[in-house]
Amino acid sequence: DGGITQSPKYLFRKEGQNVTLSCEQNLNHDAMYWYRQDPGQGLRLIYYSQIVNDFQKGDIAEGYSVSREKKESFPLTVTSAQKNPTAFYLCASNIQGQTEAFFGQGTRLTVV
Amino acid sequence: ELKVEQNPLFLSMQEGKNYTIYCNYSTTSDRLYWYRQDPGKSLESLFVLLSNGAVKQEGRLMASLDTKARLSTLHITAAVHDLSATYFCAVDKGGTSYGKLTFGQGTILTVHP
Repeated sequence: DGGITQSPKYLFRKEGQNVTLSCEQNLNHDAMYWYRQDPGQGLRLIYYSQIVNDFQKGDIAEGYSVSREKKESFPLTVTSAQKNPTAFYLCASNIQGQTEAFFGQGTRLTVV
Repeated sequence: ELKVEQNPLFLSMQEGKNYTIYCNYSTTSDRLYWYRQDPGKSLESLFVLLSNGAVKQEGRLMASLDTKARLSTLHITAAVHDLSATYFCAVDKGGTSYGKLTFGQGTILTVHP
């Protein structure tokens, strides 16, 4: 079955640590996105990538980094520079210019 | 800067009643999306509205888009408990990606017997 897989589902991080959230899709979508959701709020765009080996900052990129070495994969690293990393992180993908974005199941990150 | 505002933010409805959620946005866009989110879950795409005057219906939900007024509505007809969820509208920032979205705050809908 085609889809977007995010792992892990739950992640706990100690302050000062970097953590990487995985996002893989087998839909042959060229564009991929990372969003952050805080309680009671809408989603905000962190980074996006429209093609392999290229990505752009979204609205809240500070404290995050990404890579896009393969079409199927778009991992997000939450660095120690991100001051309030506790949130629900959602990855999405689509075919540029043709379809709306489809979302993965999310990773809930908690700083302990 | 594109801003998207939904109202109401909280909606408590009785089963069988009708209601409308409003989504206003601040700059020109021809692409608007409605998503549903159940607690602790991801987003489910409900409607994609791509032109002025677009109207789409699925079951008890109907969405419309007025790009001149920069307004979209999500109308709920004869609400049932299964519709309880958070509903988001999202506006495309433009360009070719169709995935760079600005979201509203969400409307938490609770349907009571």
